[in-house]
Amino acid sequence: AQSVSQHNHHVILSEAASLELGCNYSYGGTVNLFWYVQYPGQHLQLLLKYFSGDPLVKGIKGFEAEFIKSKFSFNLRKPSVQWSDTAEYFCAVTRSGGYQKVTFGTGTKLQVIP
Amino acid sequence: DAGVIQSPRHEVTEMGQEVTLRCKPISGHNSLFWYRQTMMRGLELLIYFNNNVPIDDSGMPEDRFSAKMPNASFSTLKIQPSEPRDSAVYFCASSSIGGVQETQYFGPGTRLLVL
Repeated sequence: AQSVSQHNHHVILSEAASLELGCNYSYGGTVNLFWYVQYPGQHLQLLLKYFSGDPLVKGIKGFEAEFIKSKFSFNLRKPSVQWSDTAEYFCAVTRSGGYQKVTFGTGTKLQVIP
Repeated sequence: DAGVIQSPRHEVTEMGQEVTLRCKPISGHNSLFWYRQTMMRGLELLIYFNNNVPIDDSGMPEDRFSAKMPNASFSTLKIQPSEPRDSAVYFCASSSIGGVQETQYFGPGTRLLVL
């Protein structure tokens, strides 16, 4: 079964700092990859997803992620964070083809200090 | 569209009581997922329905948990009897076209506390 690792459990940044959140998965086949965000007190929302094609995926609110197959990684980036980006971020993976169970990482809490 | 609707938003109950969580997926979506979120285990898929049929219930913890989807617009997750370790936030999500490759839209969750 696939698994997802998010090594940063809690990240604290000042506004305007650059962000990179790590996500590694363990599965050698073709995968679909997602980043979800959960703002305080709210439900999960999709930030971006990768199914195929250009490995650099752009999502909402200035976020992007790069799929590096050789490293089994799908790191999330944003060049300049804002206080409103304070949230918990979840990486998720599923195998391609038919129904495949989605596996979520344990999440990274991002705190942006004004 | 109102999005995925869950009720109740908060539930406090005593150990041994039956708990029923409800979910209304987005109209037109034919896949529905129940998740549980805890600090220790993160977000776990409990069960997945497609066209009202349970496809994957491998994440259901034990026989105390059961889920139904009697029609395309309603699903329930029942815990009987409840235990303190069931305390968590339970999310319902729905998607279209019947595959997990599609974006899942999450509800606001039900925060359950079992005393």
